[in-house]
Amino acid sequence: AQSVTQLDSHVSVSEGTPVLLRCNYSSSYSPSLFWYVQHPNKGLQLLLKYTSAATLVKGINGFEAEFKKSETSFHLTKPSAHMSDAAEYFCVVRNYGGSQGNLIFGKGTKLSVKP
Amino acid sequence: DAGVTQSPTHLIKTRGQQVTLRCSPKSGHDTVSWYQQALGQGPQFIFQYYEEEERQRGNFPDRFSGHQFPNYSSELNVNALLLGDSALYLCASSLRGTSGTTDTQYFGPGTRLTVL
Repeated sequence: AQSVTQLDSHVSVSEGTPVLLRCNYSSSYSPSLFWYVQHPNKGLQLLLKYTSAATLVKGINGFEAEFKKSETSFHLTKPSAHMSDAAEYFCVVRNYGGSQGNLIFGKGTKLSVKP
Repeated sequence: DAGVTQSPTHLIKTRGQQVTLRCSPKSGHDTVSWYQQALGQGPQFIFQYYEEEERQRGNFPDRFSGHQFPNYSSELNVNALLLGDSALYLCASSLRGTSGTTDTQYFGPGTRLTVL
């Protein structure tokens, strides 16, 4: 069975400082992993995805994530936070049960950015 | 290119009523998935439709049903509404690959359902 665990429910950083949002995964297969962002009262936007190609994945808005099989982790990072990055971030693994592939979401990490 | 659209944006119902939510997928996509996001939680998978059939279902009761039309749009129906059904309902569309698995899912803005 597939699952993801987001290790922090809330992360607070100052504008211009690095961002680290942590995610561990569990998967019986070679996983497909995603990070989605949700701004207040908005839908989900795909930040980046890992599908067994390069282990360092670059996404939109300067975010990137590194797949580490030995640590079963897929942490999201950004070198310098911007006020507009304040949002809820979800780590997601694809569930291949039944072959159709629905998504399993973590509980989310709320990112706050202080001026 | 229009993305995934959902209607209505907001909906208020009372317990016991029935509700229908609608979703139009992104152009070129043929698969629609529905998710329920309770306040403060991550989205949970309800079911997925492809070729007008329910292909996979999450852990939701039979009160939740759906439909997909020939133009790939979809409806989510919930009968006998409970207070606990209050949530943001998200629709996601994708393109089913030749291997049978779906590609990246793109989400709509959601429908906020409040049950009083």
